[in-house]
Amino acid sequence: DQQVKQNSPSLSVQEGRISILNCDYTNSMFDYFLWYKKYPAEGPTFLISISSIKDKNEDGRFTVFLNKSAKHLSLHIVPSQPGDSAVYFCAASAGDDKIIFGKGTRLHILP
Amino acid sequence: DTAVSQTPKYLVTQMGNDKSIKCEQNLGHDTMYWYKQDSKKFLKIMFSYNNKELIINETVPNRFSPKSPDKAHLNLHINSLELGDSAVYFCASSPGLSGGTDTQYFGPGTRLTVL
Repeated sequence: DQQVKQNSPSLSVQEGRISILNCDYTNSMFDYFLWYKKYPAEGPTFLISISSIKDKNEDGRFTVFLNKSAKHLSLHIVPSQPGDSAVYFCAASAGDDKIIFGKGTRLHILP
Repeated sequence: DTAVSQTPKYLVTQMGNDKSIKCEQNLGHDTMYWYKQDSKKFLKIMFSYNNKELIINETVPNRFSPKSPDKAHLNLHINSLELGDSAVYFCASSPGLSGGTDTQYFGPGTRLTVL
């Protein structure tokens, strides 16, 4: 039962362009959403989050958009840089003690 | 100076064996977690401990037994290993009790292969 879905296993984007990673969720009780980034042979690292009371949160090159009616969020990275090549996990929580992760999307930034 | 460390990084063992994975955090955090990332790449929580007390136990087989000797350590012991236990196991920690919103800091993972 996938409550957090990342339907694109991979994405390739030209350096300097915008990367858009998408995430859908099914549990309407989710009220907090996070993005984690993971390099090979390392653990995930926190990137950015958004509360359900907002529809946008921005941190430097990273912006997360939340569309509650569509149960959809997206991570925008602009401009994309080579160091952004990684696996990006979308995650959500329902105000309790745990985070539910998606399967991840592998982002390749092309030179 | 590693914030969340796990040992070993790789573990290859035979079915039926018992093994342990150790985790230590030097961040002064109160809450620690174990996650399993299986072959389908899902990263799923197994356990969380707050200050040595079990908070979350996600219907994990009782062959898996977490042990927290102090709030800086959360070890994972697995009895009678099965092929399906092969996965990457991540330890994590967070400053407060709210694992749902606190930023979690992950260790590098332990790749367990059961033959």
